[in-house]
Amino acid sequence: QVQLVQSGAEVKKPGASVKVSCKASGYTFTSYDINWVRQATGQGLEWMGWMNPNSGNTGYAQKFQGRVTMTRNTSISTAYMELSSLRSEDTAVYYCARGRGYGPLVYYFDYWGQGTLVTVSS
Amino acid sequence: QSVLTQPPSASGTPGQRVTISCSGSSSNIGSNTVNWYQQLPGTAPKLLIYSNNQRPSGVPDRFSGSKSGTSASLAISGLQSEDEADYYCAAWDDSLNGHVVFGGGTKLTVL
Repeated sequence: QVQLVQSGAEVKKPGASVKVSCKASGYTFTSYDINWVRQATGQGLEWMGWMNPNSGNTGYAQKFQGRVTMTRNTSISTAYMELSSLRSEDTAVYYCARGRGYGPLVYYFDYWGQGTLVTVSS
Repeated sequence: QSVLTQPPSASGTPGQRVTISCSGSSSNIGSNTVNWYQQLPGTAPKLLIYSNNQRPSGVPDRFSGSKSGTSASLAISGLQSEDEADYYCAAWDDSLNGHVVFGGGTKLTVL
């Protein structure tokens, strides 16, 4: 069965960076995009960007351009999301999600990781 | 402020039919298909409806989706207590080199 298992909770100081991992199993890792979505406590979902694990190509939300980097290690079927220059407003649960579809016309997230809480506090 | 607009709350009694709306624009819902996600308290979101009206395997047929122009809606018939959750609509937006946009979410309460 398809599973996305994320790394554990993190506590970081303002200005630091955090790197969250997402290990995929149950399917061919390089066949589907990995997206990252975050959710602040009590708030809605916010898309951060996507990565094609086969090519390494990425696309980031304008809000995170310059601060986010999405990478992968295909040998261990793991995707990573690194967010730098952290501030208190970045405190949120970060989810990885498998992207499926064909082009922008049909594109959806059919499997999600369990989420990783990142707390930014001095 | 979310790009897609949803009512913040909705409610119904067991057995009722409830609809949740999602309003967008020509660059997102008007051009691409809409997806709906259900988020039960304390859990990760789950795909509920994709490509406007398609249900993934395992999703009960009580859930249905539709789209018209730049708006979409999710309908839940035969409401059950376990349907109490947050519901989010989402779509690809063709502006700004392309990105995914979400609605602000609708909290459904089963009275």
